[in-house]
Amino acid sequence: GENVEQHPSTLSVQEGDSAVIKCTYSDSASNYFPWYKQELGKRPQLIIDIRSNVGEKKDQRIAVTLNKTAKHFSLHITETQPEDSAVYFCAASAYSGAGSYQLTFGKGTKLSVIP
Amino acid sequence: DSGVTQTPKHLITATGQRVTLRCSPRSGDLSVYWYQQSLDQGLQFLIQYYNGEERAKGNILERFSAQQFPDLHSELNLSSLELGDSALYFCASSEGTSGSGEQYFGPGTRLTVT
Repeated sequence: GENVEQHPSTLSVQEGDSAVIKCTYSDSASNYFPWYKQELGKRPQLIIDIRSNVGEKKDQRIAVTLNKTAKHFSLHITETQPEDSAVYFCAASAYSGAGSYQLTFGKGTKLSVIP
Repeated sequence: DSGVTQTPKHLITATGQRVTLRCSPRSGDLSVYWYQQSLDQGLQFLIQYYNGEERAKGNILERFSAQQFPDLHSELNLSSLELGDSALYFCASSEGTSGSGEQYFGPGTRLTVT
């Protein structure tokens, strides 16, 4: 099955700096790569996603890049703010049979933005 | 608010007991997914249902089972509970079974086994 590795597990940045989180996946058939943000005790919320036919996608201060050949994708947050502090999860969607797809998540990155 | 509801919010029970977690998907969503999140762990996929049928199974223990009812709500049953089952249990829903569709997460049920 699909395996998703996420690095780093923790990341501290100064307010205003950029943060980069990287993920690799194993199943070359995976075609959908969402990123979720989870604040303490809350539900994961989708912040950005990218499909396999696109190399980069940007939404204000957040961008995601995908390299299908190398099977890795990254989340970039620019001009970080204290409210960006949370755990971020990457995921990859792979076919799981019977016409269904399954999201496999990375183990998460705890981002701390220091004011 | 994602539109996905889960009850109860918190559940405290003893080892060996059985509990049922409930999830109602967003209006119009046919797929329901269950995930387990232990302390400092990522989201472990348990099982998926689509329009009442089981579609995919992940790392779900034999002591755990789930079903999706005709009104599309789903229940996750956990039996013979062990201390290690303490976790946050999320359900998520999506419109279909496609791999390129967003999954919307509910607020979760925090299960504590004592």
